[in-house]
Amino acid sequence: ETGVTQTPRHLVMGMTNKKSLKCEQHLGHNAMYWYKQSAKKPLELMFVYSLEERVENNSVPSRFSPECPNSSHLFLHLHTLQPEDSALYLCASSPGTPISYEQYFGPGTRLTVT
Amino acid sequence: ILNVEQSPQSLHVQEGDSTNFTCSFPSSNFYALHWYRWETAKSPEALFVMTLNGDEKKKGRISATLNTKEGYSYLYIKGSQPEDSATYLCAYVTGGGNKLTFGTGTQLKVEL
Repeated sequence: ETGVTQTPRHLVMGMTNKKSLKCEQHLGHNAMYWYKQSAKKPLELMFVYSLEERVENNSVPSRFSPECPNSSHLFLHLHTLQPEDSALYLCASSPGTPISYEQYFGPGTRLTVT
Repeated sequence: ILNVEQSPQSLHVQEGDSTNFTCSFPSSNFYALHWYRWETAKSPEALFVMTLNGDEKKKGRISATLNTKEGYSYLYIKGSQPEDSATYLCAYVTGGGNKLTFGTGTQLKVEL
């Protein structure tokens, strides 16, 4: 138990659906992250939020839309996804910049796009 | 080196063996290097954050060294146990200090 929870743990959606992934951290951290893990590829950073402001957007398609309403919650809104978006989506949080601080990861959401 | 590279890709050792893996990263504009352990069906767990050239860090039987001038870090496991079986990831801080770029990991299996 890392103090970072993600829901749902598994999601199957069609290409025309709209769904949201939720992440919550109970650690009092200031930064939150979304990562994508595709088969045989490294963990890939998607978005970084620091103090609820987006500070990094790693050239992610607009069909992925993040939202950080407060420092404890992070959402990833999904719409008109493609089959190649099927992957494990991990949320993480940290007290501050990765120059000094480790990241705490949630268990992930396994997404399948049909 | 333009990205983070880890070797070997996978490793099988016997219980009690000591082992080590390599992480190579760009040596210019260095901020910090992270090591994580990722066990199957669990979340990645931080092992070390290293920032200084020559840094050595230790956690139990696991230790790591850092050479920022030549762009590599070694992770050592002494006396491997079955519970050490996991994928070990290194990540290099880029993007002005906001971003972690991960390697593909070294998958370790420790057999009885």
